[in-house]
Amino acid sequence: QVQLVESGGGVVQPGGSLRLSCAASEFSFSSYAMHWVRQAPGKGLEWMTVISYDGNNKNYADSVKGRFTVSRDTSRNTLYLQMNSLRGEDTAVYFCVRESIEVVPKPDATDYLFYHYMDVWGTGTTVTVSS
Amino acid sequence: SSELTQDPVVSVALGQTVRITCQGDSLRSHYASWYQQKSGQAPVLVIYGQNKRPSRIPDRFSGSNSGNTASLTISGAQAEDEADYYCTSRDRSDNHLGRVFGAGTKVTVL
Repeated sequence: QVQLVESGGGVVQPGGSLRLSCAASEFSFSSYAMHWVRQAPGKGLEWMTVISYDGNNKNYADSVKGRFTVSRDTSRNTLYLQMNSLRGEDTAVYFCVRESIEVVPKPDATDYLFYHYMDVWGTGTTVTVSS
Repeated sequence: SSELTQDPVVSVALGQTVRITCQGDSLRSHYASWYQQKSGQAPVLVIYGQNKRPSRIPDRFSGSNSGNTASLTISGAQAEDEADYYCTSRDRSDNHLGRVFGAGTKVTVL
């Protein structure tokens, strides 16, 4: 079935680096934008970064801009997150997420509406930043 | 603070109706989507767009939008609906791919 499986989490010291991977299966990986979302212990969801279906457009939350880099390898159906200069506040479960788009005609049929939604989530990988 | 505002905690009696709201300027131009997260599990999409539900989501879940507010309604809440609920939509950046989550609403079924 459609699936996302994250890996690469672990314990790292402050200032260290880690690379997360997310393996996609049973869907056309190259057709979808992909996100990383994290959740610190006992906290809410935090959107971190997105990469377009073709890898040409990326965006980052201010909290990780300049430290984290998202990339994708279509030949391997894999999404990556390179995390550098890690801090204690980066401790979290990291989820890989697929974004789908549904296009529907407007009620007056003059144009279209674009619905964006995150429909497939991985189970997450845990990153702990601690000395 | 988040660009999307949600009430932190909401309670509902078993079988009654509860509405969860999400407020933010981006909602005037972009639809929210809603996610249910139970303890220790990954989030699950429950509502997106103009009241669209994935096929596996019960029809007691519905969504609506008005001005800067998106709402998720659970009609006839069940014990298994006790969870955290998050809204998300476009963020303030110029990049159309940027997203932001609300802080979440904890729904307790009494």
